[in-house]
Amino acid sequence: KAGVTQTPRYLIKTRGQQVTLSCSPISGHRSVSWYQQTPGQGLQFLFEYFSETQRNKGNFPGRFSGRQFSNSRSEMNVSTLELGDSALYLCASSANEAYEQYFGPGTRLTVT
Amino acid sequence: AQSVTQLDSHVSVSEGTPVLLRCNYSSSYSPSLFWYVQHPNKGLQLLLKYTSAATLVKGINGFEAEFKKSETSFHLTKPSAHMSDAAEYFCVVSVITSGTYKYIFGTGTRLKVLA
Repeated sequence: KAGVTQTPRYLIKTRGQQVTLSCSPISGHRSVSWYQQTPGQGLQFLFEYFSETQRNKGNFPGRFSGRQFSNSRSEMNVSTLELGDSALYLCASSANEAYEQYFGPGTRLTVT
Repeated sequence: AQSVTQLDSHVSVSEGTPVLLRCNYSSSYSPSLFWYVQHPNKGLQLLLKYTSAATLVKGINGFEAEFKKSETSFHLTKPSAHMSDAAEYFCVVSVITSGTYKYIFGTGTRLKVLA
């Protein structure tokens, strides 16, 4: 089975812009979670989607949003980018929330 | 409250010597526990998982972990370190909160392997 894929792998944006990141889960997995990883804050949970519904949400501002499509692919959007949004954004998929998660390689976002 | 604590932020070992990465958890319920490894600029790779079956869990690349309920620990070990083991390791507990599961990550342990 192919693993979790994320596109793009690298992005450079300027403050105030918006960005959309994409995640394709492992075939058959219906749960997709998003995480932000920074040196200072470590791994922080953004949100989790299952069957196109957001089931869980972390403590991030409303500038961070996501969605999931009927084929389980997911996107996350960050609007009005800030310098502090520079991070590695990781997507993980699982068969269901109770199961182990499999991570993609991440998207490295740099905000200048 | 559910939490996971990785007791060492950095561990250095010589190649060929044993590895011990320590993890303690706090959970009101019987948890599921995981260890992940992250190499530089890569995603997280699942090393092993404990889901209330055998308390000694074997994972990939020669790693194993033992679930000790009395000590609320889930330490990761490997008999002989290899240079390729140099990476960051995360202990994770999966718990139910308000009817939904949540992955709680430790702060990570960076393993350095000396030649």
